[in-house]
Amino acid sequence: DAGVTQSPTHLIKTRGQHVTLRCSPISGHKSVSWYQQVLGQGPQFIFQYYEKEERGRGNFPDRFSARQFPNYSSELNVNALLLGDSALYLCASSLVGSSGNTIYFGEGSWLTVV
Amino acid sequence: AQSVAQPEDQVNVAEGNPLTVKCTYSVSGNPYLFWYVQYPNRGLQFLLKYITGDNLVKGSYGFEAEFNKSQTSFHLKKPSALVSDSALYFCAVRDPYGNAGNMLTFGGGTRLMVKP
Repeated sequence: DAGVTQSPTHLIKTRGQHVTLRCSPISGHKSVSWYQQVLGQGPQFIFQYYEKEERGRGNFPDRFSARQFPNYSSELNVNALLLGDSALYLCASSLVGSSGNTIYFGEGSWLTVV
Repeated sequence: AQSVAQPEDQVNVAEGNPLTVKCTYSVSGNPYLFWYVQYPNRGLQFLLKYITGDNLVKGSYGFEAEFNKSQTSFHLKKPSALVSDSALYFCAVRDPYGNAGNMLTFGGGTRLMVKP
């Protein structure tokens, strides 16, 4: 079975631009989360979605937004990019119903803002 | 608020020797604890988790971790290290009673270097 898939794998954007990152969860997983991992640090939680609704939000500005589609895939959008947004963006999926469920991560999207 | 500390930025061990990667946590209730591994330029791979039950948890690739509630620790261990275990290891905690959805809080990571 396919794991969590993310696209694109790498991209370069200019300050002030907008970016959209995409994620497909593991088949059967209805919960999708997004994390930002800055080089040299642990991942930081951005959002969780399931049933197309935001279920949790980390300490990120309103420039960051996300949505989930009926097929449970998700998009992360970042507006007005800053140099500090350069990071690995990780998508994760899990079953719903128990917070003990394992969260599985994709390979990530590397974003460089110049 | 929940938090995780990984006190060692790097752990060096010789191949064949046992390894320990340390993790301590802070959470208001009973924690759910996880270990992930990250190879260069890759995403996170799940190794093991503690939810409830036996304090010694066995996971992938021969790794295990011991939950110690009194010391609020969840150290990762392996009896015999391999060169291929060299990677970045992250400990994470989830508060099962928190309001932040599916949020995992990660430590800063520990780089494991296994030398032949």
